[in-house]
Amino acid sequence: AQKVTQAQTEISVVEKEDVTLDCVYETRDTTYYLFWYKQPPSGELVFLIRRNSFDEQNEISGRYSWNFQKSTSSFNFTITASQVVDSAVYFCALLNNDMRFGAGTRLTVKP
Amino acid sequence: DGGITQSPKYLFRKEGQNVTLSCEQNLNHDAMYWYRQDPGQGLRLIYYSQIVNDFQKGDIAEGYSVSREKKESFPLTVTSAQKNPTAFYLCASSTLPGDRVRYEQYFGPGTRLTVT
Repeated sequence: AQKVTQAQTEISVVEKEDVTLDCVYETRDTTYYLFWYKQPPSGELVFLIRRNSFDEQNEISGRYSWNFQKSTSSFNFTITASQVVDSAVYFCALLNNDMRFGAGTRLTVKP
Repeated sequence: DGGITQSPKYLFRKEGQNVTLSCEQNLNHDAMYWYRQDPGQGLRLIYYSQIVNDFQKGDIAEGYSVSREKKESFPLTVTSAQKNPTAFYLCASSTLPGDRVRYEQYFGPGTRLTVT
């Protein structure tokens, strides 16, 4: 069975702090994709990143970085120097034949 | 512009009525999906379709029905059999999951359904 766990329900930080959102997944498949999405208050899901199971290179995009470790089945997301505009719910997802989502982490960045 | 449209953004219905949510995409994607999101929760898959005139149940299909008569359209009907229909409904489309090199999935803006 496929499953995605985001253990942090809510995180609150002060602007300019770094914050890491955790994602742990379960799958028996050797080929799969992992995703992170951002959901602002408007509700629409915004795609952030996709990684395939064969590429464990960490990725950095501006203030965002992702750490994919197959050994621990984790795909964590770090925001460096957080800003108020980063406040949103963030979802991790696992794709094989269909896409399974974690419950989400609500990030609040206070000024 | 390519994208996914869902209408309306807000929908109100009386208990016992069926209601149909629309989802249209012009991305030429083969696969389309419906997800339900409840407050403070993640997205749960209701139905998905990878080809016209064919669709598969997701985790919470009971009380819902879909059709896929055209590649661009995947309407979802919330029937009176659905016990707790009030939720936020998101439609998505994608290239086929088997196309792992070019796989992409996009979401529509969502429809917030309230049943009283």
